[in-house]
Amino acid sequence: KAGVTQTPRYLIKTRGQQVTLSCSPISGHRSVSWYQQTPGQGLQFLFEYFSETQRNKGNFPGRFSGRQFSNSRSEMNVSTLELGDSALYLCASSPALNTGELFFGEGSRLTVL
Amino acid sequence: ILNVEQSPQSLHVQEGDSTNFTCSFPSSNFYALHWYRWETAKSPEALFVMTLNGDEKKKGRISATLNTKEGYSYLYIKGSQPEDSATYLCAFIKAGNTPLVFGKGTRLSVIA
Repeated sequence: KAGVTQTPRYLIKTRGQQVTLSCSPISGHRSVSWYQQTPGQGLQFLFEYFSETQRNKGNFPGRFSGRQFSNSRSEMNVSTLELGDSALYLCASSPALNTGELFFGEGSRLTVL
Repeated sequence: ILNVEQSPQSLHVQEGDSTNFTCSFPSSNFYALHWYRWETAKSPEALFVMTLNGDEKKKGRISATLNTKEGYSYLYIKGSQPEDSATYLCAFIKAGNTPLVFGKGTRLSVIA
């Protein structure tokens, strides 16, 4: 069974650009969550999607957005990139909401210059 | 804002030593407490999901306890091995439509 797949794994952008990150959950999983990790910080919650609906949103500015498709794949977008957006973005899937452990992808490492 | 605190932030132990870390979380509206292990250059992997006060879970040399009334969980590693070197994350979820909130982790280094 394939795990959670995130693309791209690494990317470099410049300030003001936008970026789209993709996450393919484990087959059959309908819940997808996104987290940001920066040095010295824990995993900061960004979004949670279930059946194409955003169920929760973390305390991030409106430049951060996301969506989930009918096949449960999810994308997140960050517009007008800032230096502080440089981070590891992790996606995690689970069969449903609040049903147990999260299964994480390897992350997309974004560097903003 | 939920606060999940983990201590210590990091520790170094000798191979064969036993060690433990703490996770503190709000004691009200408890739903579940998760522990994850995150090895360098890999994805975080779940160790335990705990839901009941007094729960104890074990996986090999690693075990965890849960006290929901006072809001803490302990993770124990018996006879640490170099392959146990990782960051150990705890995460708390409260009742209702809320996401998992992670602590900053405890970084363990086991020296051979």
